[in-house]
Amino acid sequence: GAGVSQSPRYKVAKRGQDVALRCDPISGHVSLFWYQQALGQGPEFLTYFQNEAQLDKSGLPSDRFFAERPEGSVSTLKIQRTQQEDSAVYLCASSLMAEASTDTQYFGPGTRLTVL
Amino acid sequence: RKEVEQDPGPFNVPEGATVAFNCTYSNSASQSFFWYRQDCRKEPKLLMSVYSSGNEDGRFTAQLNRASQYISLLIRDSKLSDSATYLCVVNKDYGQNFVFGPGTRLSVLP
Repeated sequence: GAGVSQSPRYKVAKRGQDVALRCDPISGHVSLFWYQQALGQGPEFLTYFQNEAQLDKSGLPSDRFFAERPEGSVSTLKIQRTQQEDSAVYLCASSLMAEASTDTQYFGPGTRLTVL
Repeated sequence: RKEVEQDPGPFNVPEGATVAFNCTYSNSASQSFFWYRQDCRKEPKLLMSVYSSGNEDGRFTAQLNRASQYISLLIRDSKLSDSATYLCVVNKDYGQNFVFGPGTRLSVLP
């Protein structure tokens, strides 16, 4: 069975470039999360979707970060004018239920972003 | 104080040993708790949820102490394949904002 997939797996961007990271959650999963994981750290919450609605974006570090899930399935995380501090692994996770607080999150393999 | 704290380790233990990790959290309103496992350069995977009464899954036992705001994970009879980083995860206020600790690295040695 298909798990969560993310693309690209690796992205190298020049400082100032815009990037778009894609997440395909498990089919039928209502909840979708984006996390940022720096080297040697745990994942940090960025944003949460319930179907197409972005219910929590409190973790987005700046207005350069934007996420969408227009049809309630695939999601895209966009980073504008990338900076070196944006270099990290970006993880997407999905869970089956709308009430995600007690539900298992299934993670994708992540996109490793390096900003030069 | 960070919201979720863990000893980063590494914990180097021989095969067959018993090892315990603790995790502390700062938000007393936190409602749900988990341990995730992350292998090197891989994605996190759920190891187990942590229930108020404590719970066991094979060689793994998780406990929650709400009064002291800490969670523990005990691994008995450790295997080489248990080598990984163990992430403590806390959910705030039944919301969707999950806070991960920095992880504790375990190496089980032959």
